[in-house]
Formats: sequence, structure tokens, C-alpha cells
Amino acid sequence: DSGVTQTPKHLITATGQRVTLRCSPRSGDLSVYWYQQSLDQGLQFLIQYYNGEERAKGNILERFSAQQFPDLHSELNLSSLELGDSALYFCASSANDRNHNYGYTFGSGTRLTVV
Amino acid sequence: AQSVTQPDIHITVSEGASLELRCNYSYGATPYLFWYVQSPGQGLQLLLKYFSGDTLVQGIKGFEAEFKRSQSSFNLRKPSVHWSDAAEYFCAVGARSGGYQKVTFGTGTKLQVIP
Repeated sequence: DSGVTQTPKHLITATGQRVTLRCSPRSGDLSVYWYQQSLDQGLQFLIQYYNGEERAKGNILERFSAQQFPDLHSELNLSSLELGDSALYFCASSANDRNHNYGYTFGSGTRLTVV
Repeated sequence: AQSVTQPDIHITVSEGASLELRCNYSYGATPYLFWYVQSPGQGLQLLLKYFSGDTLVQGIKGFEAEFKRSQSSFNLRKPSVHWSDAAEYFCAVGARSGGYQKVTFGTGTKLQVIP
């Protein structure tokens, strides 16, 4: 157990639907990162939050959004789902601050299948 | 901006043989450097990290990596590979960007271990 909890582990949904993926970071970590991993695109950075504030955006589609709540858990919302959104979605957390990088702790991921 | 290159997409080694996975980075100063391992269906796990001091760093599972500034490399090594080492390995570089720590992952190297 890495300390980063992601739910659900598996999700099967139809095209056009909306889903919410949840992540609880490791205790004490203020930063949360979301990644998408697919066979053809590899590991793609989506978005980062630090203590409730959006810190950086990567290749995140407009149909996707995220937030980090006061208790530091984060949710990734995916809407108007397409077949191509089928992928593994990872959450990672870190204690990184402006000057130090301690590495990331990853959750075990949510496997999303859009049918 | 930093970048990282893993030139080998797939590597096959025999069990018991030595292993070296290549990683080259681009950054103006000495960055934070990481190696992660991902077993099938799992999240990424931090193997080791470097940011200062001894250029040879030891990690978990018997892995080590050597930072070579002159070659902008951070290659991962293991003297004797076990079948359980079959996985995908990601090199990552971290540096300060836009006032916060940013991590860039390589495209990964898949390791196959044959008996």
C-alpha cells in the first residue's frame, strides 16, 4: 500500500456519460497530480493541485476537470466520454515544495473503459 | 525547460544477467533525477532518486543508478536480474519551473526477463 488511495479501481461506462475519479493523497502530502496512461499515448500529465489551488495544467481536455478539497482529497471529472478516453488514470501525491522535490507516490490507478 | 529521453523502448535480458537502462536528461543545472518501476496493472513505484552528493545512488530491490554530469545521464543498473524485475521502468527529471517543482517523465523502457 503506497498510501495514495484511488477509487474506484475499475469503471465501465458508456460514451457520452460523466464519471468522477477520486484520490486521497498520502498523509501529509499537499500536492496531487493526475496522469492518464494509455497504450498509444504513454504517461500523460493532466493537472496538478497544491493545497487546494491549481498549480499546473498539462494535456487535459476541456471535457475534463479536477479539484482539490480542503481535506486535500482530489476528484477528476470526465464528461462527454469518448471511446478514446479509455485508459488508466493515476493519481500521485508529493510533499514537494517550491525548492525541494521528494518524488511522487502513485496510487494503483483507476482503469476506465468506455463502451 | 527540462526533458528526459529513454532511448530503449524494449530490452530483453536473461535471468541472472546484468542490466543497464539508459536515461539522458536536458536541463541547465543539476536537476532532481528519479527512476520509477511499474508492474503490469500497477501504479509507478519510486526506485531511487538523486539530487546531490554521491553520484552513485542505491535504491530498492537491488537497483542502483549513477549520475554523470558530463554525459547528462542517469542510467539504472542491476548486477543480476530476477524474473520478478520484468516491468516498465520510467526515468524522470524534476526541476523548478514557474515557481514550483515540475517533474517530466520519460517514455519508459519495458524490460522482459527470459529464463
